[in-house]
Amino acid sequence: DTAVSQTPKYLVTQMGNDKSIKCEQNLGHDTMYWYKQDSKKFLKIMFSYNNKELIINETVPNRFSPKSPDKAHLNLHINSLELGDSAVYFCASSQAQIANTGELFFGEGSRLTVL
Amino acid sequence: AQKVTQAQTEISVVEKEDVTLDCVYETRDTTYYLFWYKQPPSGELVFLIRRNSFDEQNEISGRYSWNFQKSTSSFNFTITASQVVDSAVYFCALGGSSNTGKLIFGQGTTLQVKP
Repeated sequence: DTAVSQTPKYLVTQMGNDKSIKCEQNLGHDTMYWYKQDSKKFLKIMFSYNNKELIINETVPNRFSPKSPDKAHLNLHINSLELGDSAVYFCASSQAQIANTGELFFGEGSRLTVL
Repeated sequence: AQKVTQAQTEISVVEKEDVTLDCVYETRDTTYYLFWYKQPPSGELVFLIRRNSFDEQNEISGRYSWNFQKSTSSFNFTITASQVVDSAVYFCALGGSSNTGKLIFGQGTTLQVKP
């Protein structure tokens, strides 16, 4: 039973489209995250939610909007996709409210390709 | 400012060689946490270790060992008798009280172990 699951795993779409990536964790964690990994493998946090409340919002374009319907789910919606949005998006969760003190459990990643 | 530097972009070794992956960090926090994650070719991110800033004891887990030295702000990772399955990208990460819940990742080191 997958601890942190993301769908879809692969997403190929045209510029200008809107797409969503879903994430669910069954670990009972309070905190969930979205990370972006670019083509050079650099990992950077985008958002973090604790018990459905947004606690971290990095400098991310407004086209990116996270939504947490409950503490087990954190979805990422992207409007008006651009070429530069092509990346692997990782969902993660942690038991600790602050990731610093606890292990992050990552999903398998969703590879987004914008043509 | 929080920063993690992994100066080695790529390392290639032959199976059974020992290899050390370097990690240097910068932080103003007195309490902080250091992590290593592994990303094999399949793409998922796997937690390897977490170390607290107040615990400088080195750690060994099978063929893996970690050397934490606050004096040089380093948290190096050594793989003894490397195996082909160790081929992956390895990330060092830093979390501290001043970055409100996010992990700062290094650029990653790609390790290739040849048979």
